[in-house]
Amino acid sequence: DTGVSQNPRHKITKRGQNVTFRCDPISEHNRLYWYRQTLGQGPEFLTYFQNEAQLEKSRLLSDRFSAERPKGSFSTLEIQRTEQGDSAMYLCASSLGTVREAFFGQGTRLTVV
Amino acid sequence: KQEVTQIPAALSVPEGENLVLNCSFTDSAIYNLQWFRQDPGKGLTSLLLIQSSQREQTSGRLNASLDKSSGRSTLYIAASQPGDSATYLCAVRANSGYALNFGKGTSLLVTP
Repeated sequence: DTGVSQNPRHKITKRGQNVTFRCDPISEHNRLYWYRQTLGQGPEFLTYFQNEAQLEKSRLLSDRFSAERPKGSFSTLEIQRTEQGDSAMYLCASSLGTVREAFFGQGTRLTVV
Repeated sequence: KQEVTQIPAALSVPEGENLVLNCSFTDSAIYNLQWFRQDPGKGLTSLLLIQSSQREQTSGRLNASLDKSSGRSTLYIAASQPGDSATYLCAVRANSGYALNFGKGTSLLVTP
């Protein structure tokens, strides 16, 4: 069990550029979640995968955001045409079933300049 | 919509004190509740998970209780240490949906 891994840890990008983040969940976990956290706030839910199926998306996930989980393994979160308001910590979590603990990665800190 | 509130927002205590962090939620139809710790600039570390049918969970110096009917949970930290300094987050999972709904956290500082 190596934990949830997220890459990159930090990303600085210019407004209007596209960025992609990767999350590798704990190997046997079939549930995967993306959250966004801004300074002084708790994490806010973005989207949820059960295996490769994206089963829930928050209204926060505008059409500039897309997430995938091919083959039910790692997941990617892409933000197109980044805006300054996208600056935040993007957190990935995984769990083995809904009743079990969710484990979080170290996050990807995005700064849009 | 589930609202989660954590009180106090910040807390400073001398080392050795026992302390209680509070979490309240507006919709009692929850699946489970989880307490996390977050160090500055880092991800979340899971501390305790309480299922809706449980009243409390314990891990070392930590004890979390759940009163689902009143929409409250408390995290009790015994004999606090400077290494306990962090932000503590409470999150609930509703019966409907898959998301964890988080409070804003309690920022704890334990001074030597």
